[in-house]
Amino acid sequence: NAGVTQTPKFRVLKTGQSMTLLCAQDMNHEYMYWYRQDPGMGLRLIHYSVGEGTTAKGEVPDGYNVSRLKKQNFLLGLESAAPSQTSVYFCASSLQGTQYFGPGTRLTVL
Amino acid sequence: AQKITQTQPGMFVQEKEAVTLDCTYDTSDQSYGLFWYKQPSSGEMIFLIYQGSYDEQNATEGRYSLNFQKARKSANLVISASQLGDSAMYFCAMREGLGSSNTGKLIFGQGTTLQVKP
Repeated sequence: NAGVTQTPKFRVLKTGQSMTLLCAQDMNHEYMYWYRQDPGMGLRLIHYSVGEGTTAKGEVPDGYNVSRLKKQNFLLGLESAAPSQTSVYFCASSLQGTQYFGPGTRLTVL
Repeated sequence: AQKITQTQPGMFVQEKEAVTLDCTYDTSDQSYGLFWYKQPSSGEMIFLIYQGSYDEQNATEGRYSLNFQKARKSANLVISASQLGDSAMYFCAMREGLGSSNTGKLIFGQGTTLQVKP
């Protein structure tokens, strides 16, 4: 079991560029989440999904979109990156209880 | 509104001693869950321990225990016999609601950095 994997691990973007972060889990979890972590702060929820084909907004959804076309994958998109989106992005999955996290993606927007 | 507060930005502890990391929470729900995660310098988030609001006994997992005081709305993490590998950032988190209707969303505190001295 790989658990929760994220690609890429690092990325540098220029302002206005777009990109997609991929999260994959092999634990057959229904629930998946995208968080961002900024220096000196805890994780904040961007979007989440309670099952294939469903998505919902979290605490800080502006500037991001998500899709859950397959149960095992949860994609996070940035349509027009801004320097304020420089952060570490974590994906997590769960059945309904404990969330298990991926290793994170460090994104820098110049 | 639900909120998690960790008032200790940084803590030091001597190797082999016990340390308590503080966490207080605010919620109007009767059903909720409390979690602690560890984030070492490598960056991954590692689940440590869970306490449900209806659990009568404090949760324990090896050297980790959760001192749950419901009336005070506190869920402090106790690490016994600290090891050098315990040096990390520790996050307290809360999930409101238990059961089939909850979405599992977590609210995190700002974290406490623990340094274990040899």
